[in-house]
Amino acid sequence: KNQVEQSPQSLIILEGKNCTLQCNYTVSPFSNLRWYKQDTGRGPVSLTIMTFSENTKSNGRYTATLDADTKQSSLHITASQLSDSASYICVVRPGDNFNKFYFGSGTKLNVKP
Amino acid sequence: DTEVTQTPKHLVMGMTNKKSLKCEQHMGHRAMYWYKQKAKKPPELMFVYSYEKLSINESVPSRFSPECPNSSLLNLHLHALQPEDSALYLCASSPGIPVTGYGYTFGSGTRLTVV
Repeated sequence: KNQVEQSPQSLIILEGKNCTLQCNYTVSPFSNLRWYKQDTGRGPVSLTIMTFSENTKSNGRYTATLDADTKQSSLHITASQLSDSASYICVVRPGDNFNKFYFGSGTKLNVKP
Repeated sequence: DTEVTQTPKHLVMGMTNKKSLKCEQHMGHRAMYWYKQKAKKPPELMFVYSYEKLSINESVPSRFSPECPNSSLLNLHLHALQPEDSALYLCASSPGIPVTGYGYTFGSGTRLTVV
């Protein structure tokens, strides 16, 4: 069964600290994995997208990693800011159905001053 | 243009009203999607249009009626909704062809409240 699981469900950190969010998936065959940031009441905004041949991709203070062998991805946030408070969603696209995407339940990040 | 535009941003409607949500993209994407998202939950797929044809309907009640007039536009017609239909409605698009390295582009959503 194709699934995407994210951990932790929620996270509280102090401003300036680093954190890492996890995404494990069982989707097969695999096409790509995308991390989105979603502010409350707004649409998700793409942070990074990774295909099976990519191990690391950065977007400013956000760095995503992908291990296609273990089917794990992480999103590392460096020097967190208050504006990083949001939900972070991992979305996996299978390789055999390009109209079907699998969503994780998200990690709710709260950055406190 | 790399955006998906949704209108209106907020909508309050009564249970007997008829309203429509609109979504527009000019990226040449050939797949467009409607999602419903309740608070603190991931988006739930409602409909998928592929090359202007309805390809997926996730058993959505008939009070929601999608329409894809052309490759750039996607509508969601609402009629006789219930209060539990209150949610954030998200539109998304993707190239719709088996190209690796592509995911969704989401709109900013319509916050719908049914009273």
